[in-house]
Amino acid sequence: NAGVMQNPRHLVRRRGQEARLRCSPVKGHSHVYWYRQLPEEGLKFMVYLQKENIIDESGMPKERFSAEFPKEGPSILRIQQVVRGDSAAYFCASSPPGLATLDTQYFGPGTRLTVL
Amino acid sequence: ILNVEQSPQSLHVQEGDSTNFTCSFPSSNFYALHWYRWETAKSPEALFVMTLNGDEKKKGRISATLNTKEGYSYLYIKGSQPEDSATYLCAPNQAGTALIFGKGTTLSVSS
Repeated sequence: NAGVMQNPRHLVRRRGQEARLRCSPVKGHSHVYWYRQLPEEGLKFMVYLQKENIIDESGMPKERFSAEFPKEGPSILRIQQVVRGDSAAYFCASSPPGLATLDTQYFGPGTRLTVL
Repeated sequence: ILNVEQSPQSLHVQEGDSTNFTCSFPSSNFYALHWYRWETAKSPEALFVMTLNGDEKKKGRISATLNTKEGYSYLYIKGSQPEDSATYLCAPNQAGTALIFGKGTTLSVSS
């Protein structure tokens, strides 16, 4: 069984460009979470989505960041007009249908975004 | 904002030593606590999900206990091996779904 897939694994953007990060959850999982790890810091929750719905976006910056998990296809984290401070590792996790609070989250390998 | 503290920040032990780490979190509105292991260049890997006060979980040489009344969890590794070298993260839930990760304890086991 394939685990959580993320692509690209490494992404380089210049300031002002857009970054699109993709996450394909474990087959059958309906909950997707995005986390960010800034240099020298721990994993920080950004957003929790179910199919076609954003459930909790309390950790996501209000501007330039958006996330979606369409009915078909991967979840996308989009960062518009990137700045150097967006350079980080972005991890996606997924969990099966059910009570998300108690479910183990399965993490992908992450996308390392570098903004020049 | 949920404040999660893990100690020590890092730890170096010899092969065969037993060790333990602490995760402290606010006890109010506790829902569940997750432990993860994160090896360098890999993804975080789930170890345990714990919900009940007094809960104890075990997986091989690794075990964990939970005290929800005082807000802490211990992770124990018995007879550490070099392959146990990793960062161990705890993440409690309060009401709601977001996991709040601590900064982790980085364990290094030398042979």
